[in-house]
Amino acid sequence: KAGVTQTPRYLIKTRGQQVTLSCSPISGHRSVSWYQQTPGQGLQFLFEYFSETQRNKGNFPGRFSGRQFSNSRSEMNVSTLELGDSALYLCASSLAVAGGLETQYFGPGTRLLVL
Amino acid sequence: QKEVEQDPGPLSVPEGAIVSLNCTYSNSAFQYFMWYRQYSRKGPELLMYTYSSGNKEDGRFTAQVDKSSKYISLFIRDSQPSDSATYLCAMAKAGTALIFGKGTTLSVSS
Repeated sequence: KAGVTQTPRYLIKTRGQQVTLSCSPISGHRSVSWYQQTPGQGLQFLFEYFSETQRNKGNFPGRFSGRQFSNSRSEMNVSTLELGDSALYLCASSLAVAGGLETQYFGPGTRLLVL
Repeated sequence: QKEVEQDPGPLSVPEGAIVSLNCTYSNSAFQYFMWYRQYSRKGPELLMYTYSSGNKEDGRFTAQVDKSSKYISLFIRDSQPSDSATYLCAMAKAGTALIFGKGTTLSVSS
């Protein structure tokens, strides 16, 4: 079974631009979560989507947004990029069965550099 | 105080050593405890998953949760150079997102 895929793998943008990152979950997984990973702050939760609805949201500004499509694929968008947005953006998918905590499977990430 | 604290290391050990990795946390409501391993330029992969307190063993890896002390550990026996990676602890309450530690970088020399 194919794992979580993320595109693009690397991206260079300049301040003020916007960027869209894409995530394809493992087949059959209905939940997609996004994380930002930086050396200073570690892995921080951005948001989670389930059945095309945002189910949980982390403490990030409104410049960070996301969406999920009917096939469970997800995109996240960052508008008005700042230098501090340079990070590894990770997507994780899970089955989203009822009860307990779903095991999350991570993709390889998209490394974003903002100049 | 951050919800999850983890010593970033780096930790360097010789091949065959027993490695102990630890995290402390402040939220007594956490019920789910996990350890992820992340190789350079890769996403994290789940190593161990424990619900509530107790020990769990999987091959060379043992995870321990002490809820009374708000302390979790990962032990690696007979460490190998292939174990060189960053180890992240993570924890959550039911229905909420995972909270990660910042990770401990481990280097195992042959």
